[in-house]
Amino acid sequence: SQKIEQNSEALNIQEGKTATLTCNYTNYSPAYLQWYRQDPGRGPVFLLLIRENEKEKRKERLKVTFDTTLKQSLFHITASQPADSATYLCALAPSNDYKLSFGAGTTVTVRA
Amino acid sequence: GAGVSQSPRYKVAKRGQDVALRCDPISGHVSLFWYQQALGQGPEFLTYFQNEAQLDKSGLPSDRFFAERPEGSVSTLKIQRTQQEDSAVYLCASSLNSGGVEETQYFGPGTRLLVL
Repeated sequence: SQKIEQNSEALNIQEGKTATLTCNYTNYSPAYLQWYRQDPGRGPVFLLLIRENEKEKRKERLKVTFDTTLKQSLFHITASQPADSATYLCALAPSNDYKLSFGAGTTVTVRA
Repeated sequence: GAGVSQSPRYKVAKRGQDVALRCDPISGHVSLFWYQQALGQGPEFLTYFQNEAQLDKSGLPSDRFFAERPEGSVSTLKIQRTQQEDSAVYLCASSLNSGGVEETQYFGPGTRLLVL
């Protein structure tokens, strides 16, 4: 069956450092991969989308990579700030379809 | 502008009680989604509407779950005879057009349901 795994442990990092989160998948061939941010008591907020034929995408301090051979996406937050503290979710879709499959998320805490 | 709103934000129900959860999508958005998020997990797809048509209800966990969007705007998720395993956050999302993955889904804050 399809499986999506994100860092099982929460990530605690010092302000200014780079946070790197992983999203691994098995028994799945996604054409699209998205990353979301979710704060406590709120719904997820879309951050970035990357397509299977794209290796890397950047948006401000965020960078996403997508390796279909390794079946893995990496999500980087550079020059991290306490305001970046949140849970980050990856979501996969097999085609340009509406149905997203989410990972369980990784909680990031950035210490000042 | 106004985002997706959901009500109530919190609902406590006794086992066996029926509940109704409301979603007000962004005005003019064609697509509407419902997700269930258990504690410590990611959202899981429940159902999808395009305007008033329910095009996919494959994620609804049982026939106790029912969703409607009669006029193509506000949607209601109804759970009959609630069970403890129904305790979760129920998220609603909307998108502008057909809801393909290249379109951004805008999520509401969710309704936290606790079944005692």
